[in-house]
Amino acid sequence: EAQVTQNPRYLITVTGKKLTVTCSQNMNHEYMSWYRQDPGLGLRQIYYSMNVEVTDKGDVPEGYKVSRKEKRNFPLILESPSPNQTSLYFCASSSLSGANEQYFGPGTRLTVT
Amino acid sequence: GENVEQHPSTLSVQEGDSAVIKCTYSDSASNYFPWYKQELGKRPQLIIDIRSNVGEKKDQRIAVTLNKTAKHFSLHITETQPEDSAVYFCAATPMYSGGGADGLTFGKGTHLIIQP
Repeated sequence: EAQVTQNPRYLITVTGKKLTVTCSQNMNHEYMSWYRQDPGLGLRQIYYSMNVEVTDKGDVPEGYKVSRKEKRNFPLILESPSPNQTSLYFCASSSLSGANEQYFGPGTRLTVT
Repeated sequence: GENVEQHPSTLSVQEGDSAVIKCTYSDSASNYFPWYKQELGKRPQLIIDIRSNVGEKKDQRIAVTLNKTAKHFSLHITETQPEDSAVYFCAATPMYSGGGADGLTFGKGTHLIIQP
């Protein structure tokens, strides 16, 4: 089954404690992206990647890091989380040729206290 | 970068009536315009998309129109049903078809409420 998976689905942590949210897709997509969703602000792009070892900043990259060492994985790293990073995070992937639908993961709800 | 404005933020219609959601974009290089539906507690899912080489696309009760000159596009839902209640997001990007390296920029969303 074609899918995007994220882990964990829910996470409560404390300020300053490094964390990683994993994202994996099994569709051989070149493009992967991270978004955060906040009430009234919609979906805002954090980072995206057009292919292995190619990443770029989105609209709200501050406080986040990503890596793309393998085509299927695109982890989101918060080196020193702060309360303003409490949000719902979505990973997405798409092909850069043919049909370009972005497939979203199930979401990760992060709370930083 | 791209900026996408979406209106209205909330739309309430009677079941069976039509609903229209409008978006404008700023980057003339954008060439792909998807619409996503997000039900409560779920992930966004694509419902329809349009490319800049066509002006209209229809899929059963859903249609999207694009005016490249005015840089706006709209989602039309006819004969609305209770299951259409959700948040709808428009988006724009130049990145597919070699139009540019920017990612997908979303509007802030429209909460569509279908009144029985």
